[in-house]
Amino acid sequence: EDQVTQSPEALRLQEGESSSLNCSYTVSGLRGLFWYRQDPGKGPEFLFTLYSAGEEKEKERLKATLTKKESFLHITAPKPEDSATYLCAVTGGGADGLTFGKGTHLIIQP
Amino acid sequence: EAQVTQNPRYLITVTGKKLTVTCSQNMNHEYMSWYRQDPGLGLRQIYYSMNVEVTDKGDVPEGYKVSRKEKRNFPLILESPSPNQTSLYFCASSLGHITGELFFGEGSRLTVL
Repeated sequence: EDQVTQSPEALRLQEGESSSLNCSYTVSGLRGLFWYRQDPGKGPEFLFTLYSAGEEKEKERLKATLTKKESFLHITAPKPEDSATYLCAVTGGGADGLTFGKGTHLIIQP
Repeated sequence: EAQVTQNPRYLITVTGKKLTVTCSQNMNHEYMSWYRQDPGLGLRQIYYSMNVEVTDKGDVPEGYKVSRKEKRNFPLILESPSPNQTSLYFCASSLGHITGELFFGEGSRLTVL
């Protein structure tokens, strides 16, 4: 059974204070790891796909990296509009769907 | 505009009263899926469909039914709702089931009394 664990559950940062969110996963035959952003009252919004260890993807202040056991979402010099819940998900060889983690609730204070 | 549309967005109903949550996408996506999101449990997949007339169970299918008669529509049916089905429901679609690049609807908040 695929498992995804995200940490921390919540994170409060000052504007401009860089940090990283962690996503640890257990999956049989990783086919892809995905990061989503979810704003309150909205559906998740796709950010990145990572397919293999060593891969990195960037978008504005966000950078996602992948190892064989975990993924990090690095946030550089965040702004208040980066406040959201960030979700990590995996899909593996044994399932036709995504297994999501419980998310990290990120708050950026001005 | 590319979108996944769910209706209703909010619904309060009573135990045992059949209801349907509709989902429609305008992106010609083959893959569609339903999730429920609960505090402390995260997003869990209920059912998915890889194409018309092809559906399969996700992780929490009990108490739900789906159908996929047209490519754009994937309704979620609760034949006899119970209070433990009170949740926030999301429909999602993608070009293919492997991509994982899901487009989500805005969500349907269901309360069963």
